[in-house]
Amino acid sequence: QQQVKQSPQSLIVQKGGISIINCAYENTAFDYFPWYQQFPGKGPALLIAIRPDVSEKKEGRFTISFNKSAKQFSLHIMDSQPGDSATYFCAATDYSGSARQLTFGSGTQLTVLP
Amino acid sequence: DVKVTQSSRYLVKRTGEKVFLECVQDMDHENMFWYRQDPGLGLRLIYFSYDVKMKEKGDIPEGYSVSREKKERFSLILESASTNQTSMYLCASSLDRGTVETQYFGPGTRLLVL
Repeated sequence: QQQVKQSPQSLIVQKGGISIINCAYENTAFDYFPWYQQFPGKGPALLIAIRPDVSEKKEGRFTISFNKSAKQFSLHIMDSQPGDSATYFCAATDYSGSARQLTFGSGTQLTVLP
Repeated sequence: DVKVTQSSRYLVKRTGEKVFLECVQDMDHENMFWYRQDPGLGLRLIYFSYDVKMKEKGDIPEGYSVSREKKERFSLILESASTNQTSMYLCASSLDRGTVETQYFGPGTRLLVL
């Protein structure tokens, strides 16, 4: 059962455009929603994260929008650059079992054309 | 800087072989994780450990085992490798059990089982 659904699977954007990646979750116990960025040949790295008590978080060109009632959150990349070309994973976490675990979406491969 | 290292970047094994994947972190983190990454499926948790000699199953533990004899080292073992275990394996660590902390990933081991 996929608890975090991510779309689209791939995205091509022109330089300077806006990239938007969407995620939806089912588990209302999730209480922290990070986005990870992965470049080819590298492991994922935390990009930006949000808690459900705020509707938006912005860090530079990256913004997370969060809709708690709809159980959806999205990543917006403004003024997209070729260097942003990477795979992006949304994730959600709750304290289950003996430690906090991340549940990842399926990933979005972003290509920004020069 | 947190550093998570994995013993091999690429590995080719034959069906039925026993395979060891090693992961070492240098930041005294309590938690360590093993994921496998497959296209269209995102990252799926195999096992995690929140303390030395402690382990818990993730979402897809079948066919795998783990060992954590020292805090900094977490090993993933494929007792009898099969072709459906061909994948990218990612190790991660995070600070402690309860707080919301970033997971730091290694570069991954790409395993091919023939």
